[in-house]
Amino acid sequence: AQTVTQSQPEMSVQEAETVTLSCTYDTSENNYYLFWYKQPPSRQMILVIRQEAYKQQNATENRFSVNFQKAAKSFSLKISDSQLGDTAMYFCAFMAMDRDDKIIFGKGTRLHILP
Amino acid sequence: DAGVTQSPTHLIKTRGQQVTLRCSPISGHKSVSWYQQVLGQGPQFIFQYYEKEERGRGNFPDRFSARQFPNYSSELNVNALLLGDSALYLCASSFPWTGGTDTQYFGPGTRLTVL
Repeated sequence: AQTVTQSQPEMSVQEAETVTLSCTYDTSENNYYLFWYKQPPSRQMILVIRQEAYKQQNATENRFSVNFQKAAKSFSLKISDSQLGDTAMYFCAFMAMDRDDKIIFGKGTRLHILP
Repeated sequence: DAGVTQSPTHLIKTRGQQVTLRCSPISGHKSVSWYQQVLGQGPQFIFQYYEKEERGRGNFPDRFSARQFPNYSSELNVNALLLGDSALYLCASSFPWTGGTDTQYFGPGTRLTVL
């Protein structure tokens, strides 16, 4: 069975700083996706970034980038130049490829961006 | 384009009652998945439906059931409600294609409170 672990329940950083959220996962699958989802207080779950396990290059989306270490089963999210609107719950998530659409989520990291 | 929509937004029921939650996927999306998110936790996968057939099922009791209609909308039914069923129920849609599954996009959720 796959598991996703987020070891930081809560973090706070000053606006404009860089912050890194940690995530580790466990799986015996070779082909899978990893995601970071953001859930603001308004509760709509929004996809931040996605990484295919077969791609060695780390995914980036504007201020968001990941550090994907497949052998170590690590998938951290870096937010550069953090903004007040980045305040949210962040979930690391895993989905096996070519199966059902079951996404396995971690317990989340609550991120506060301070003015 | 409209995103995933869910109704109702909030719902209050008493123990033992039955509830039906509704989801309309993004136009063109044929897959719908349901998740339960208990307060303070990550979402947990309940069901996936694709082309009106159940494609995946999470570890939930038989009190939970779902179906998908020809227009790809979906309903989640929960019978004999328990206090522990109180949660945010999220619907996600995607457009699976041969070779893999696409990113899931989440709706705003239905907040169910069981008294």
